[in-house]
Amino acid sequence: QSVLTQPPSVSAAPGQKVTIPCSGSRSNIGGNYVSWYHHLPGTAPKLLIYDNNKRPSGIPDRFSASKSGASATLAIIGLQTGDEADYYCGTWDTSLSAVVFGGGTKLSVL
Amino acid sequence: QMELVESGGGVVQPGRSLRLSCAASGFMFSNFAMHWVRQAPGKGLEWVALIRFDGTEKKYADSVKGRFTISRDNSNDTLYLQMHSLRAEDTAVYFCARGRYSYGVHYFDYWGRGVLVTVSS
Repeated sequence: QSVLTQPPSVSAAPGQKVTIPCSGSRSNIGGNYVSWYHHLPGTAPKLLIYDNNKRPSGIPDRFSASKSGASATLAIIGLQTGDEADYYCGTWDTSLSAVVFGGGTKLSVL
Repeated sequence: QMELVESGGGVVQPGRSLRLSCAASGFMFSNFAMHWVRQAPGKGLEWVALIRFDGTEKKYADSVKGRFTISRDNSNDTLYLQMHSLRAEDTAVYFCARGRYSYGVHYFDYWGRGVLVTVSS
């Protein structure tokens, strides 16, 4: 099982907003910065967010993220059908001395 | 244009060895830490190993420690993952990823498309 916990799936209509939660513990999210990744099976994963809430160049501001305590949240507004993908949170776990990920959340835009 | 291209995957019997390669282009490879991350069928991402830009530091996930070795050739812009004593649970798509380090946390800003390793008799 993954160290970080994400719901297996979320869905929303085009144009709407969706949030994807990611929960951990003091040794990972609670004490470290979080990154988020977009992945379409068969393609290269893509960095969406780093340092909890920063977007790399080229990532639209429809994507945002926040962190509170040992939980983090990715938010996507103005949903498009092209946003359908798997989304992963990740961080460093100080106790494990390892990068840890959530199990991934499949976003469906209905 | 940045590119990471993995190769060397395939079907291998349990207990055997395999070496993966990742050819980098479009950036100064020798300036960046590099990682391997894998995804088993139907599962999420699992970090496997990292190597510092100069190769002086390596870290591994507990699941592969003692069996896998990460290395790099900065003169040829290539990352490697030598895998020994392979198990069925090592079956996965293996991605190489460029590492960044900020506020004590590793994250990955560019990834390859991955290469499939299947461990089966």
